This record gives sequence, structure tokens and C-alpha cells, in this order.
Amino acid sequence: AQSVTQLDSQVPVFEEAPVELRCNYSSSVSVYLFWYVQYPNQGLQLLLKYLSGSTLVKGINGFEAEFNKSQTSFHLRKPSVHISDTAEYFCAADTGGFKTIFGAGTRLFVKA
Amino acid sequence: ETGVTQSPTHLIKTRGQQVTLRCSSQSGHNTVSWYQQALGQGPQFIFQYYREEENGRGNFPPRFSGLQFPNYSSELNVNALELDDSALYLCASSLMSRLDYGYTFGSGTRLTVV
Repeated sequence: AQSVTQLDSQVPVFEEAPVELRCNYSSSVSVYLFWYVQYPNQGLQLLLKYLSGSTLVKGINGFEAEFNKSQTSFHLRKPSVHISDTAEYFCAADTGGFKTIFGAGTRLFVKA
Repeated sequence: ETGVTQSPTHLIKTRGQQVTLRCSSQSGHNTVSWYQQALGQGPQFIFQYYREEENGRGNFPPRFSGLQFPNYSSELNVNALELDDSALYLCASSLMSRLDYGYTFGSGTRLTVV
């Protein structure tokens, strides 16, 4: 069965510091991976995706993620965060079927 | 691009009632998926419609049903509401080849069942 685990429910960080949000997945078949961001009272917005090819994926707003097949991980990183990055971040996996499996989310809180 | 529009934004219903939530897909998208997001959790897949036919379904009971119209707008209907149905309901439109583009989500309908 396919599943997505986000290892941290909350991550507090100071402005301009680096951040990593951790995501592990399990799947018996090839998997495609996504990170979405959700700002308060809004829907989810696609940050980046890994389909194939280079394992380092760059997305919007300066975020990047690295696909690690041996560790079944897809961690999200940003070298320097801003107050405006405060939001909920969701890791998601898709095996090419009709549904995407989402993790429980990580709340990133950027402090001044 | 018009994006995905959902209505209403908030709704309060009484246990046992029925509710209809509406979604207008992004222009050019032929597939719509509905997700339920309970407080503090990730979205859970309810079902997907492609060209007016249900294309797949998650672990939700039959009292959750849907429709997709020729203009690709969609409805989610929930009968016999239960307290646990209180959640944010998200509509997401896509092309069937969504792996290339991902979903476009609406802002959701916050349903409270009392």
C-alpha cells in the first residue's frame, strides 16, 4: 500500500535561516512525488514535483527537494526563509492511478 | 486562467441533513477530484470524475456522491450528514495527464455539521 509520512508536524525557524521539511514515502511501484503549500484559508498550491530524471528538483519561491530512492525520502529545503513562507506544507505521492496520497502536513512557522 | 472556484465558502448544517457543494474547474481541465481535509490532517481522496464519469473512488461511503457536467463543473453531494463530516472540502481540477502539471485546487468549502 502507498503511504506518505511527514516526520515533523511543526517546524519553527527564524527568518533568513535554512529549513528542511522531511517526507518519507512507501510504495511498491514507481512513484511520483509532489510538495504543495497551503496558506491560511486557501487551497493547495503546487510547489514542485518529481516525475523522473534529476533527483534534485527546483520549485517556486526558492524551494527545492531531493528524491532519494534508497531512503524513500523527498525532503523539502530552502536556504533562507521569509516570514511569508509561514504556511502548511504537504508532501504527496502518486503512482499514476486516479488519486494522490497526501501526508498529514508540516506547519512551518517563521519567526522574526 | 480562471482558476478553480468553489461555493459556498462556508456552510453550517445539522446532522442528518443533505448538502451540495459546487466547483467550477479551471478552463481547459477535463478532470475533477474531490478531497476531504479534516482539521490538522492532509487531504483525503473522495473521488474523481473524468468526462462526466466517476473514474475512481476513495474509502468514503455511498452517501458521498458526485456529478460532473459537460462544462466540467462539478458537485459533491453528501447525504445523512454526520458530525465527522465536518471538514474543508477541496475541489481540484486537472488534465488527465496531471503528473505533468499537478492539480489546481480551489480554496475549499468549510462544512460544519452540528
